[in-house]
Amino acid sequence: ETGVTQSPTHLIKTRGQQVTLRCSSQSGHNTVSWYQQALGQGPQFIFQYYREEENGRGNFPPRFSGLQFPNYSSELNVNALELDDSALYLCASSPVRGLGTFFGQGTRLTVV
Amino acid sequence: KNEVEQSPQNLTAQEGEFITINCSYSVGISALHWLQQHPGGGIVSLFMLSSGKKKHGRLIATINIQEKHSSLHITASHPRDSAVYICAGLLSSGSARQLTFGSGTQLTVLP
Repeated sequence: ETGVTQSPTHLIKTRGQQVTLRCSSQSGHNTVSWYQQALGQGPQFIFQYYREEENGRGNFPPRFSGLQFPNYSSELNVNALELDDSALYLCASSPVRGLGTFFGQGTRLTVV
Repeated sequence: KNEVEQSPQNLTAQEGEFITINCSYSVGISALHWLQQHPGGGIVSLFMLSSGKKKHGRLIATINIQEKHSSLHITASHPRDSAVYICAGLLSSGSARQLTFGSGTQLTVLP
C-alpha cells in the first residue's frame, strides 16, 4: 500500500471523447508526476506538478493537460482521444521533486 | 537514444537461482530507481540509489557511479518474484525532476 490511489482503475472511451483521470497523492507529498505506459513499453513522462503549477512536461501534445489541487490530489485530462492513447496511466507522488517516488496502481484506458 | 538501457529483456530462471538484472545510464541521471511491476500494472519502488549498495530481504541493488551502471540481484529466487523489473533514472529537466525508464526485464521464475 503506497498511499497513492488512482481512479478509475479501468476505462473505455470512444475516439474523439475526453477523459479525466484522478490521483490522490501520498500524504505530505507536494509533487505529482503522470506517466503513460503503452503495452509492452516502459512508462513515458507526461508532466509534473509541484505546488499546483506544472513544472515540467514530456513530449506530449497540448490535449494532455493536468491540474493539481491544494490538497495535492491531481487530475490528468486528455481531449480528442485517439486510438494510440490506449495505455496504462500512472500517477507518482513524491515529497520533494522526484525523490522517494511512490506509484499508484494505474488507470487502464482503452480507446475504441 | 534512451538515457537508460536495461538487460536482459527476458529472463527465465529455476527456483533458487541467483538472478542479476543490469542497467546502464547516461550522464545527467542523479539517482536510479529499481521498480517491480506485476501483471495488472501496479508499480512498486524497490530501491532508490545514488551510490553504493542497498539490501532488502533477498534483493540487493548496487550502483557504480563512475561506470554509470547498476545491478539488481535476487538471491534464492522464488516463483512469486516473477514480474517485470524496471530501472528508472532520475533526470533533471528544467525545474522538474522526472523519471526516465528502461524497457524492463520480464522475469519468470519456474518452480
